Amino acid sequence: RKEVEQDPGPFNVPEGATVAFNCTYSNSASQSFFWYRQDCRKEPKLLMSVYSSGNEDGRFTAQLNRASQYISLLIRDSKLSDSATYLCVVNSGYSTLTFGKGTMLLVSP
Amino acid sequence: ETGVTQSPTHLIKTRGQQVTLRCSSQSGHNTVSWYQQALGQGPQFIFQYYREEENGRGNFPPRFSGLQFPNYSSELNVNALELDDSALYLCASSTTSGGHEQYFGPGTRLTVT
Repeated sequence: RKEVEQDPGPFNVPEGATVAFNCTYSNSASQSFFWYRQDCRKEPKLLMSVYSSGNEDGRFTAQLNRASQYISLLIRDSKLSDSATYLCVVNSGYSTLTFGKGTMLLVSP
Repeated sequence: ETGVTQSPTHLIKTRGQQVTLRCSSQSGHNTVSWYQQALGQGPQFIFQYYREEENGRGNFPPRFSGLQFPNYSSELNVNALELDDSALYLCASSTTSGGHEQYFGPGTRLTVT
């Protein structure tokens, strides 16, 4: 099993849609979880940290399920500007952040 | 507040050569991590520097080495370049060591021919 697995997509959705991404991780000792977004040929940008209690930032909601070792990201009311690759990130060692390959989202008018 | 900066932006090298990439951390950050991102892949952790010492390393050979300076800036050195070293090299800084929130620079795109 890969350390961090994501569906590569692409997810094609119309503006205004709700879309959800899931990610599974293999290291049960992982303590920190994040979602990053990456635009084409740009650097990853931190979208949000993921906490055990779940957290919300505007249209974005992240959830963590430690028992099943998965993380989710929900985007409501999708905007054209949400088109990007979303990277699931897990710390798998003291200093090591392990990135998934990313899920591509394409929001169309 | 100054973000993470990296130089150069692009670089073309020949197989067997050596390369040095540079990174300045975000102000207030004392930890720098380096990543390699091949096309279509997520970033892969190379190593992390904290207090001028290597603080963790991913699955990369010894020809990948680094330095951190007292001002927290960092260098990544790659010796004996191979074609597979062609990638985007990303530097990320954070406020402390470990697996905490990291903020990335724009990267250096290295092409090895």
